[in-house]
Amino acid sequence: ETGVTQTPRHLVMGMTNKKSLKCEQHLGHNAMYWYKQSAKKPLELMFVYSLEERVENNSVPSRFSPECPNSSHLFLHLHTLQPEDSALYLCASSQNYDRLGEQYFGPGTRLTVT
Amino acid sequence: GESVGLHLPTLSVQEGDNSIINCAYSNSASDYFIWYKQESGKGPQFIIDIRSNMDKRQGQRVTVLLNKTVKHLSLQIAATQPGDSAVYFCAEASYNTDKLIFGTGTRLQVFP
Repeated sequence: ETGVTQTPRHLVMGMTNKKSLKCEQHLGHNAMYWYKQSAKKPLELMFVYSLEERVENNSVPSRFSPECPNSSHLFLHLHTLQPEDSALYLCASSQNYDRLGEQYFGPGTRLTVT
Repeated sequence: GESVGLHLPTLSVQEGDNSIINCAYSNSASDYFIWYKQESGKGPQFIIDIRSNMDKRQGQRVTVLLNKTVKHLSLQIAATQPGDSAVYFCAEASYNTDKLIFGTGTRLQVFP
């Protein structure tokens, strides 16, 4: 266990649905991240939060909406997704917003958009 | 442009042998490199890192080698065990871009 949990572990949703992914870290970290991992593609950074403030948004479509209510929780709200959005969505945290530091990853949510 | 890639998509080794996983990078300004291990159904796990002022760094059964001349990074696993079976990928970063770039991954399969 890395101290980062994600729910649900698997999610199947239609293109018209609205769902949310949840991430929780029990490490006392100040930074949290959302990544997208697609087959045969490198890990893509989507959003970064540091001390509950969004510090980076890597040109992610607006159908993905992050929320960080406190330093321990991170959500990714999904609506009107496309089939190409099917992927493994990983949450990570680190002590501080430091790309060069060690990030702890959760197990991911396997998302399938039908 | 920047790119981080792995030479072999799949590496098969016999239990007890040493494994070498390679990674090429194109950004000569990169000065920090990380190796991750990702087992099936799990998120990536930090294995070892190395800074550009070093050529070699050793951990427990793992060694990372950095050749800045040819922009090549390798991960060596000694006495490979079945539990080492996973996807391994590297990542690079530089203070200039403040950006972490991940490679696509190599699958390591360990046979008894």
